[in-house]
Amino acid sequence: NAGVTQTPKFQVLKTGQSMTLQCAQDMNHNSMYWYRQDPGMGLRLIYYSASEGTTDKGEVPNGYNVSRLNKREFSLRLESAAPSQTSVYFCASRALAGGVDTQYFGPGTRLTVL
Amino acid sequence: SQELEQSPQSLIVQEGKNLTINCTSSKTLYGLYWYKQKYGEGLIFLMMLQKGGEEKSHEKITAKLDEKKQQSSLHITASQPSHAGIYLCGAAHYGGSQGNLIFGKGTKLSVKP
Repeated sequence: NAGVTQTPKFQVLKTGQSMTLQCAQDMNHNSMYWYRQDPGMGLRLIYYSASEGTTDKGEVPNGYNVSRLNKREFSLRLESAAPSQTSVYFCASRALAGGVDTQYFGPGTRLTVL
Repeated sequence: SQELEQSPQSLIVQEGKNLTINCTSSKTLYGLYWYKQKYGEGLIFLMMLQKGGEEKSHEKITAKLDEKKQQSSLHITASQPSHAGIYLCGAAHYGGSQGNLIFGKGTKLSVKP
């Protein structure tokens, strides 16, 4: 049971390049989330998927797209990277059963856009 | 949008000392989550509080929820170097129906041996 996994761990892009951040969970959770973490800003929600086949915008969705490929996988795409998207990106999935309601986070992807 | 204020922003304590971190919400709390983040790593779930007056413990870490004050406190007893890291509180939005969490900016804890 690996929990929530993210790839890659580190990435450097040039302005205008595109890339996809991958996230997978093996806990059979319905809901998955993408956050970004910036110094002095805390964690902010980019997009979320309440269930397979649905996605919704969070607090800071501009410049990003997501795909809920199946129940396990939720990817985040940057179509044209900008320096303002330099951040640490975290994926999370939500456990909601038997009185438990919490989110489990992946190890993060550290992205630098030059 | 719901905002969470954490205090203090950073804390340096001597090993063995007790400490408290606070998290105050500007709106009604439907659920309050505490996470710990080691530098450069992901978030580790510590505990979740839902009911006013609820108190939970995880090893030497105790968290309480004061629903009236819309505040939660995290207390560490006899701190150890392993407690060092960033502590984040998160609050459920819209009664938790979508699970979206708003996070505080974190409290950076350093423990001097």
